[in-house]
Amino acid sequence: DGGITQSPKYLFRKEGQNVTLSCEQNLNHDAMYWYRQDPGQGLRLIYYSQIVNDFQKGDIAEGYSVSREKKESFPLTVTSAQKNPTAFYLCASSTGGSFNQPQHFGDGTRLSIL
Amino acid sequence: DAKTTQPNSMESNEEEPVHLPCNHSTISGTDYIHWYRQLPSQGPEYVIHGLTSNVNNRMASLAIAEDRKSSTLILHRATLRDAAVYYCILQTGNQFYFGTGTSLTVIP
Repeated sequence: DGGITQSPKYLFRKEGQNVTLSCEQNLNHDAMYWYRQDPGQGLRLIYYSQIVNDFQKGDIAEGYSVSREKKESFPLTVTSAQKNPTAFYLCASSTGGSFNQPQHFGDGTRLSIL
Repeated sequence: DAKTTQPNSMESNEEEPVHLPCNHSTISGTDYIHWYRQLPSQGPEYVIHGLTSNVNNRMASLAIAEDRKSSTLILHRATLRDAAVYYCILQTGNQFYFGTGTSLTVIP
């Protein structure tokens, strides 16, 4: 079945460590997105990519980095510069490059600090 | 400041219609209105979206006020599977702006 796969489902990070969250899609979508969700809150955009080898910062990009070397993959690295990384991270994709299109979401990765 | 305002929670009886309101008074002419829903520990699921005219799909209807400062998501017959947090989202340019959502409880 086509969809978005995020791994791992749960991730723990020690202070000062970088960690990378995986996001893979087999929907042949051009655009991909990373969001952060804190308890009881809506989602906030971290980064998005409308095409391979190109990506743009969202509202809360500080402390995060991404790459888009392949159409299917959009990994997110949470760096040690992100002082409050504990959150639920969601990856999404959509056709074309317009936010007007519906976004398909993965089931998320929950990151916690040890 | 949140771009959308929704009630924190609502209840509905099973098989009754549900009207979920959303205020977006700062909406501009090119902003789209999206609705998604989310179950605990899952990613949001697309429900419906629109610009100016009312929209219908197999899941729901979207009624947009004439001045576009508010909208209503309509579930025609609520089922237990419809219990979720419903987000009204404003798309401004390339950005989605989520509010805090409405938690819908469906009573059997």
